[in-house]
Amino acid sequence: DTGVSQDPRHKITKRGQNVTFRCDPISEHNRLYWYRQTLGQGPEFLTYFQNEAQLEKSRLLSDRFSAERPKGSFSTLEIQRTEQGDSAMYLCASSRGQGGGETQYFGPGTRLLVL
Amino acid sequence: DQQVKQNSPSLSVQEGRISILNCDYTNSMFDYFLWYKKYPAEGPTFLISISSIKDKNEDGRFTVFLNKSAKHLSLHIVPSQPGDSAVYFCAASVAIQGAQKLVFGQGTRLTINP
Repeated sequence: DTGVSQDPRHKITKRGQNVTFRCDPISEHNRLYWYRQTLGQGPEFLTYFQNEAQLEKSRLLSDRFSAERPKGSFSTLEIQRTEQGDSAMYLCASSRGQGGGETQYFGPGTRLLVL
Repeated sequence: DQQVKQNSPSLSVQEGRISILNCDYTNSMFDYFLWYKKYPAEGPTFLISISSIKDKNEDGRFTVFLNKSAKHLSLHIVPSQPGDSAVYFCAASVAIQGAQKLVFGQGTRLTINP
């Protein structure tokens, strides 16, 4: 079990640019989640994948955000036309999908700063 | 609306004593609760969880208590150690499309003083 990994760990971009983050879940986990955490707050749910299917999206996920999980393995989160309000820590989590009472395991996060 | 609340932004405890972190929730549909620990520049690390059908779960120095009637849970750490200094998040789980979405509190920064 190598844990959830995320890349890059840090990203600085200028307003209006597009950015893409990658998440590699724990290998046998079929569920993958994206969360966003801003300063002084807990993580907030963005979206969820069961294998390759995106089954739930938060209203926080505007049209500028898109997430994919091709082949049900790694996932990418893309933000188009970034805004300063997008600056946050983007966290990925995965779980085994055992039904009720599952535990989500988080990656180290990607910290985004939009200038 | 903040469905999960941690009303204490910070807590300072002497090494060796008990640390008690509190969490309140409003949604009766929450059926599973978790505590995560977070160091700076790292993702949250799972600590301990409890199902809504139980009122206590223990794992080593960590014990979580759930009071469903009061919609309150707490994490007890005893004895507290300097390595326990971190931000602790309470999270509640709600079903979505067959999976579980976590709703987090704002976190409590625990400092263990030698």
